[in-house]
Amino acid sequence: QVQLKESGPGLVQPSQTLSLTCTVSGFSLTSNSVHWVRQPPGKGLEWMGGIWGDGSTDYNSALKSRLSISRDTSKSQVFLKMNSLQTDDTAIYFCTRLITTDWYFDFWGPGTMVTVSS
Amino acid sequence: DVVMTQTPPSLSVAIGQSVSISCKSSQSLVYSDGKTYLHWLLQSSGRSPKRLIYQVSNLDSGVPDRFSGTGSQKDFTLKISRVEAKDLGVYYCAQTTHFPPTFGGGTKLELK
Repeated sequence: QVQLKESGPGLVQPSQTLSLTCTVSGFSLTSNSVHWVRQPPGKGLEWMGGIWGDGSTDYNSALKSRLSISRDTSKSQVFLKMNSLQTDDTAIYFCTRLITTDWYFDFWGPGTMVTVSS
Repeated sequence: DVVMTQTPPSLSVAIGQSVSISCKSSQSLVYSDGKTYLHWLLQSSGRSPKRLIYQVSNLDSGVPDRFSGTGSQKDFTLKISRVEAKDLGVYYCAQTTHFPPTFGGGTKLELK
């Protein structure tokens, strides 16, 4: 069945780079898109960016200068890298599949909490 | 970006009651193919969001028919009939008609 799971460091120092991995199963990355959505504590959901089946990427314009999304199809993994982290980047980071037949986020990972603090 | 405004931000409900949540968008959500890509998700406490309804009114697999979605253009409503304890959590509307995808601020459904 379709599954996604995020992994990465729970704590990142200010100004450093965040690296997260989303490992998927039950579907192919070459025919599906995977996106990153984050949620600051007690707040709502923010779309960060995503990678499409053809490998192209889209980013939230507010994060574009700091964000990079890539993938390794042989390992069924999608990567997020974001630099120059600040305390307001503290959030739960989710990866989710955007199914392009109906254009909605149909499956989500459990999320990984990232705290930016010295 | 399309701004999604949900009201109310919170709702207190007794088990068995019915509730409605409103979601309004800053632009029409009708895409050039004629479809409307407005969806609803539920985030139960401590968990990731879970899909409920896609394209305004289509219930996801396993979602009971106590849930219904209506609306068009810029004005949408999620209705829950006969609320059960497992329905509690935060409801989000989301649009994927226009890029980037955007979410409403959420409506927290809690027990009275």
